Order: sequence, then C-alpha cells, then structure tokens
Amino acid sequence: GDSVTQMEGPVTLSEEAFLTINCTYTATGYPSLFWYVQYPGEGLQLLLKATKADDKGSNKGFEATYRKETTSFHLEKGSVQVSDSAVYFCALMGPGGFKTIFGAGTRLFVKA
Amino acid sequence: NAGVMQNPRHLVRRRGQEARLRCSPMKGHSHVYWYRQLPEEGLKFMVYLQKENIIDESGMPKERFSAEFPKEGPSILRIQQVVRGDSAAYFCASSPSGDRGDYGYTFGSGTRLTVV
Repeated sequence: GDSVTQMEGPVTLSEEAFLTINCTYTATGYPSLFWYVQYPGEGLQLLLKATKADDKGSNKGFEATYRKETTSFHLEKGSVQVSDSAVYFCALMGPGGFKTIFGAGTRLFVKA
Repeated sequence: NAGVMQNPRHLVRRRGQEARLRCSPMKGHSHVYWYRQLPEEGLKFMVYLQKENIIDESGMPKERFSAEFPKEGPSILRIQQVVRGDSAAYFCASSPSGDRGDYGYTFGSGTRLTVV
C-alpha cells in the first residue's frame, strides 16, 4: 500500500541555518504530495503542496519539489527562525483518492 | 471565519466509560476525516465521512469505535468502554467536496483523550 517515510528527528538547528527534511514515498500512479506543520498543542496546518511531477510547492520561505524519478518531496528552507520550531509531516494522497497518508513526523528545534 | 471546530479540547474518562468527540467542519466543506495521533507518532487514518454516509472506515477498530456525520449537526466519533490504550489526540479534518488531491485538509485543534 501507499506509504510515506521521512527522516527521524529531532533536528536541531541554529537560527538562520539551512533546513532539509527528507521525505520519500511509495504509491501507485501519481499522488499529490503535501507538507503539514504542527505547533505544540495544535492541529496540523497545510504548509505546501504539489500535485504533479516537477511541481514546486512553496510557502513562508519553505519549498519542496515533487521528484517522480526519486519518489521524493524533501522540505527545504534557506534560513530558519526560532518560530519554525514545530513538527513537520510529509503526506500523500493517491490519485482519485481521498485518504491522506502521513509520515511519522520530524520534530524541528531552532535555537536562537 | 471559523475553521474546523472540535470539542472538547481535553477529555478525561475512566476505563469503561464512553467518550464522545465532536467535529464541525469548515463552512462549505462536506467531507470529514478522523485521525488518531498517539504520543510521538504520526497520524493514523480512522474514518472518512460525508453527510449521512461513511465512505471509508478501514482505519477504525472493529469494536467499540463508531462515527457518524448526520444531516444536521457535527460529526461524532464515539468510543465505548474506553481503555487506557485509547488515550491519544484525535484530530478531525475537512475538505471541500470532491476527491481530487488538489486540496489539502483543514484540521481542527484536536481532542486530547486521557483514560484513567
């Protein structure tokens, strides 16, 4: 079945460092791919998405490119802030589907 | 401009009691999804509903758990005879009509169930 694998955390960075959180997926066909962010005590918020190969999703300085050849959707940000500290979830929705499959989440800590 | 509303935020139940979790989807959204998040784990799909219909309940435990989304009112996730292993955060999400992957979900803030 469909699945999402993302790098284990926690990831600890200093403010203004470069961020990469790896995400790979297994799915039939061409799924839609998402990154969600969860701040402490809150629900998940959609951060960005890409619906077809080579699409780049971007939002709030974060970006991720849908790579069909490597089945990856890595999250990147050029300069992280303390306020980016949260848990980040990679997710997919199969073509014609409705159920979103989530990765286990990666916790990010950003130090001032 | 209310988003997805879940209540209660926190719920404490003794073993054997019933837990009832409510979710009102975002205005204009007719699809509701329930997920469970165990401590330090990702989200596990439980059930997908539209008004008066259960579309996919493949993630629901076969016993004690049920869900509904009536024509009027919120969606309800019901857990009967709760056990300690049911302690988790339960999140509801909604999306506009349609099953295309163009839409992400809008999540509620969750209900944190503690079984003592």
